[in-house]
Amino acid sequence: DTEVTQTPKHLVMGMTNKKSLKCEQHMGHRAMYWYKQKAKKPPELMFVYSYEKLSINESVPSRFSPECPNSSLLNLHLHALQPEDSALYLCASSQGGRRSNTEAFFGQGTRLTVV
Amino acid sequence: SQQGEEDPQALSIQEGENATMNCSYKTSINNLQWYRQNSGRGLVHLILIRSNEREKHSGRLRVTLDTSKKSSSLLITASRAADTASYFCATDVGTYKYIFGTGTRLKVLA
Repeated sequence: DTEVTQTPKHLVMGMTNKKSLKCEQHMGHRAMYWYKQKAKKPPELMFVYSYEKLSINESVPSRFSPECPNSSLLNLHLHALQPEDSALYLCASSQGGRRSNTEAFFGQGTRLTVV
Repeated sequence: SQQGEEDPQALSIQEGENATMNCSYKTSINNLQWYRQNSGRGLVHLILIRSNEREKHSGRLRVTLDTSKKSSSLLITASRAADTASYFCATDVGTYKYIFGTGTRLKVLA
């Protein structure tokens, strides 16, 4: 199983809503990532978890709150978002450990629209 | 700021032709990867080339790396309509930290 599963595929939320994006992998990978991608732009790194600990936060606003409940799951909690946060949110995983910089497997993304 | 710049930004070719896209980056790297993205969906890993390698092949893909010029190229031979996608290079700027280039949008006309 080389799949990273993201839910939901599409999400529309109001600026006062609280919602969560979910990501799951069963490849035994110990590094998991959140990326944000605007239209016709490259993915931008938001957060990295390594062995369930937050190891990178790219100065992301606190209205985005990541969580890694276990080695297979990664959540992104959203609260009080702005319309400019509308984007494709991509989750990825990679082996981690000594092979920290290896290929990453991406999910299909969650298309988020903030209204 | 972005680590990688790719050119061309967009490329349109006929089926059967070869497509070449280039990536330039700014800092020293351990490896460089190429990914494909179909129409706003997830990225698919294509190939990884390490800093001590100069060329790598995978099927119809050929990647070169010139660390002295801080540049890489991706060649797709005998292109097919199914190769239509955006292609991104990604360079490691730290442990677990990959930065993607600006991307090349490839269109292969049948």
